[in-house]
Amino acid sequence: SQQGEEDPQALSIQEGENATMNCSYKTSINNLQWYRQNSGRGLVHLILIRSNEREKHSGRLRVTLDTSKKSSSLLITASRAADTASYFCATDTLGYSTLTFGKGTMLLVSP
Amino acid sequence: KAGVTQTPRYLIKTRGQQVTLSCSPISGHRSVSWYQQTPGQGLQFLFEYFSETQRNKGNFPGRFSGRQFSNSRSEMNVSTLELGDSALYLCASSSGGQRNTEAFFGQGTRLTVV
Repeated sequence: SQQGEEDPQALSIQEGENATMNCSYKTSINNLQWYRQNSGRGLVHLILIRSNEREKHSGRLRVTLDTSKKSSSLLITASRAADTASYFCATDTLGYSTLTFGKGTMLLVSP
Repeated sequence: KAGVTQTPRYLIKTRGQQVTLSCSPISGHRSVSWYQQTPGQGLQFLFEYFSETQRNKGNFPGRFSGRQFSNSRSEMNVSTLELGDSALYLCASSSGGQRNTEAFFGQGTRLTVV
């Protein structure tokens, strides 16, 4: 079953703009991770944020987590055409290490 | 450090046949999980192996099975293939810790059942 729901389902922007994707989930979590997938290939790990963290940065990525609203957001700043991909959030619960994925956001960055 | 390696990358099988997929995790990782990705159902968890034991199992029929070897390499087997088994099968490697669940994925095996 899908725990996470990404929003929007699809996002189209121009190079240089910022892209924001949201993820909502239903149950209490241990960690939340964001992944990127290019055209049906493998998932690339972007960032992990723990349930006791509120914000995390990695390069052009910024992730926030609001456990009271059961939601997370991924911000990609200064987008590039190479950022074109599907982005997924995945959650796990304490004591149960498997990941539950949302349906993903398709991001298209046009030159 | 080598990443997660899945073989083969592509497979075409006929209904009723069986198939075995292989996954070599990151060196030092003891947990291997398998996921199925389809356009309709998205990413769904199949099972997890940790130290050669199945630790968690998703909601898939018994035709889907797996195992893990002492070197942490894992295989997944699907018997009596059905058309609906056509999917991208992804393997994830992690340390297996209950708190640090950071998982790294292979490139996947694209299975087509005809």
